[in-house]
Amino acid sequence: ILNVEQSPQSLHVQEGDSTSFTCSFPSSNFYALHWYRWETAKSPEALFVMTLNGDEKKKGRISATLNTKEGYSYLYIKGSQPEDSATYLCAFRLGAGFQKLVFGTGTRLLVSP
Amino acid sequence: NAGVTQTPKFRVLKTGQSMTLLCAQDMNHEYMYWYRQDPGMGLRLIHYSVGEGTTAKGEVPDGYNVSRLKKQNFLLGLESAAPSQTSVYFCASSYTGVEAFFGQGTRLTVV
Repeated sequence: ILNVEQSPQSLHVQEGDSTSFTCSFPSSNFYALHWYRWETAKSPEALFVMTLNGDEKKKGRISATLNTKEGYSYLYIKGSQPEDSATYLCAFRLGAGFQKLVFGTGTRLLVSP
Repeated sequence: NAGVTQTPKFRVLKTGQSMTLLCAQDMNHEYMYWYRQDPGMGLRLIHYSVGEGTTAKGEVPDGYNVSRLKKQNFLLGLESAAPSQTSVYFCASSYTGVEAFFGQGTRLTVV
């Protein structure tokens, strides 16, 4: 059974803090790594798709790095804002096709004003 | 722009009842997917479709059936609901099969 682990499960930071969390995945059969932002009562929203070892992606204050050899990806949020409060999901893709995604359980981030 | 719309948003069923969840997308996407999300677990794929008239099993297909008679709609059926099917169901659609757009979920409780 393929395991995609995310840590921590939840995180509570103050506005302005920078934070990061981890997605761990099998280092073999890597095809792609996806990150999603999922606000309560809304649908998951794609942040990044990462395919190459050493990849770094950035969207505003959010960035991600990828290490396929050791099987991890980090998501960073610089200067957290209350609107960043959400669950951040990662998903490991085994091959071509969205049906090949294996999702982690997410890191729930709460940013207090 | 509606995107991916799921109907209904909430439902309570009695054990043994049947129901159909509807997923509709207005983006002319070829690929559509049904997931379930349970506490402490990641999204798990139930069934998917790579085009009108086609369906395929995902990771957890037992107890569910699907149909894709029209390109824009993907139906998920429960023939005889069981308490183990209490979950939040998400539909997604994709143009390329690389990245997908999700609906807002259907919360189903089977008592």
